[in-house]
Amino acid sequence: AQTVTQSQPEMSVQEAETVTLSCTYDTSESNYYLFWYKQPPSRQMILVIRQEAYKQQNATENRFSVNFQKAAKSFSLKISDSQLGDTAMYFCACLEGGQNFVFGPGTRLSVLP
Amino acid sequence: DTGVSQNPRHKITKRGQNVTFRCDPISEHNRLYWYRQTLGQGPEFLTYFQNEAQLEKSRLLSDRFSAERPKGSFSTLEIQRTEQGDSAMYLCASSSQTGNTEAFFGQGTRLTVV
Repeated sequence: AQTVTQSQPEMSVQEAETVTLSCTYDTSESNYYLFWYKQPPSRQMILVIRQEAYKQQNATENRFSVNFQKAAKSFSLKISDSQLGDTAMYFCACLEGGQNFVFGPGTRLSVLP
Repeated sequence: DTGVSQNPRHKITKRGQNVTFRCDPISEHNRLYWYRQTLGQGPEFLTYFQNEAQLEKSRLLSDRFSAERPKGSFSTLEIQRTEQGDSAMYLCASSSQTGNTEAFFGQGTRLTVV
């Protein structure tokens, strides 16, 4: 069974600064995928970044990057040069091969002008 | 293809009534998921399909909830004898079994039971 934990219910960051959101997960599988999803207020969930567990290299997507520590089962998201449009709920999720996505409780990020 | 589509967007119903929601996934996706989300919480898994087969159903899902995916295309989620605790956002997502495993979400159906 999978569990995903996000220990920061809320965070704030000044515009143009960098912020890191934490996520830990638990799985007994060797083949799995990790995701960060963003859910802006009253809008649908969209993918921010994904990481395959078999890849050692950390994924990056423009201003978004992850720090994937497989042994520690840690998967943090770093947002550089934060923008007002980054204000949203951020959910960490784990997908074990052939099963369903398990989401963490989320971190509410506010980017302050 | 315009993405995952859910209807209706909003539903208000009286306690004890039955409701049905529809999800149209991205056409080439063979996996379809239903989640429930309450305010300020993460999506909670309900059930998922691979093609027309329902492969997993959450133990949290009572027998008042049923989902179908006839012909492996659109899916419906029915809640019978609704209770106030059923009030939530119901999210549908789809993904491809092969290649990119990302799940694409619809905009959700917000259910309010009064």
